[in-house]
Amino acid sequence: SAVISQKPSRDICQRGTSLTIQCQVDSQVTMMFWYRQQPGQSLTLIATANQGSEATYESGFVIDKFPISRPNLTFSTLTVSNMSPEDSSIYLCSVVAGGMRAQYFGPGTRLTVT
Amino acid sequence: AQSVTQLDSQVPVFEEAPVELRCNYSSSVSVYLFWYVQYPNQGLQLLLKYLSGSTLVKGINGFEAEFNKSQTSFHLRKPSVHISDTAEYFCAVTPLTGGGNKLTFGTGTQLKVEL
Repeated sequence: SAVISQKPSRDICQRGTSLTIQCQVDSQVTMMFWYRQQPGQSLTLIATANQGSEATYESGFVIDKFPISRPNLTFSTLTVSNMSPEDSSIYLCSVVAGGMRAQYFGPGTRLTVT
Repeated sequence: AQSVTQLDSQVPVFEEAPVELRCNYSSSVSVYLFWYVQYPNQGLQLLLKYLSGSTLVKGINGFEAEFNKSQTSFHLRKPSVHISDTAEYFCAVTPLTGGGNKLTFGTGTQLKVEL
């Protein structure tokens, strides 16, 4: 498995501003993912972040809104840009670890946009 | 593409009673299957996974799940629940090959254990 931390754990932001969420893993991993969980709903994949290459975004998510960095094999950031109340969600990062195809999740960042 | 259906959005059960949370999936290719649990105000924790081999999989906290390929199901069971099992449970799949390890999640089942 892997131990994953996220910062901040929660934040309240004003519309029109941006927030950068950090994800730190205790071991080197190739594949990292960013998910969004809107209130009372399931998880939706935003993008896959691989070290040394551009992130791959899912349908409905664009780089200008959710820029992602992956500077090394243990760290990634997701920025939520020009926020609106509809961006209020839990944002989670995950990694594939242990060679068993299972994904392990961070504790999430709870974002409220007012 | 894959899809996951969790028909029960909420399951109330009394403490020490058995419980089954249902999960059905649809996929044109073979998949790996997972159950995750999300306790209030926390991230997701892996409960168990089916990759290959025995179709009965045992996980943490006394949970088990059975993979049924013909019925495309992966139901989660526990013979006796505890109040601390109150949480949201998510079933998820990823294709064996290709797919980039992406997980497709069901909509979740809220398990509420009552005294």
